[in-house]
Amino acid sequence: DAGITQSPRHKVTETGTPVTLRCHQTENHRYMYWYRQDPGHGLRLIHYSYGVKDTDKGEVSDGYSVSRSKTEDFLLTLESATSSQTSVYFCATFGTENTGELFFGEGSRLTVL
Amino acid sequence: GESVGLHLPTLSVQEGDNSIINCAYSNSASDYFIWYKQESGKGPQFIIDIRSNMDKRQGQRVTVLLNKTVKHLSLQIAATQPGDSAVYFCAENRLGDYKLSFGAGTTVTVRA
Repeated sequence: DAGITQSPRHKVTETGTPVTLRCHQTENHRYMYWYRQDPGHGLRLIHYSYGVKDTDKGEVSDGYSVSRSKTEDFLLTLESATSSQTSVYFCATFGTENTGELFFGEGSRLTVL
Repeated sequence: GESVGLHLPTLSVQEGDNSIINCAYSNSASDYFIWYKQESGKGPQFIIDIRSNMDKRQGQRVTVLLNKTVKHLSLQIAATQPGDSAVYFCAENRLGDYKLSFGAGTTVTVRA
């Protein structure tokens, strides 16, 4: 357990509204990630961060932005939510760099109507 | 980009039998291969990993096999239990990349 907390855990919103998902970690891990999970697609990387104010795009970054002003918090923002962004979003951190052991949060289920 | 994929989306196993979950990968430059387990309503959890310079690694009731010649990865679960019912993902990572690529997942259902 890497002390990862995601909020909100569930959210229903309407098309065109902004949404921010928060990931909070207590282990002082350097790397943080946002993935989305959809049926048939597994986990796809949206954005990741390698330090405070240092972020980069993943494979499905269009329509999303991120910010990391503190080591412990990584925010994912949908500026104008669309129905295609209905998904389950997972935050993760690297427990040990240079291996494959990611620690995941419990997920945030977002529904865009 | 490179991708990791699983052979079968679903697997049904009798309780007590051994399970074998397969994965094919395409990036020969990967340094680590990892298996994750995801139970319903939860985030994925690390099970076991294997470095590219190994061909077998054993954990508690699980064994991961790596065949670099055919770019194939498998997870073997011994004496499958009801608690093993979950979605299993393979993933790959390259040193210095810090970005895992995941396959689509195999849903394992254990029959009583």
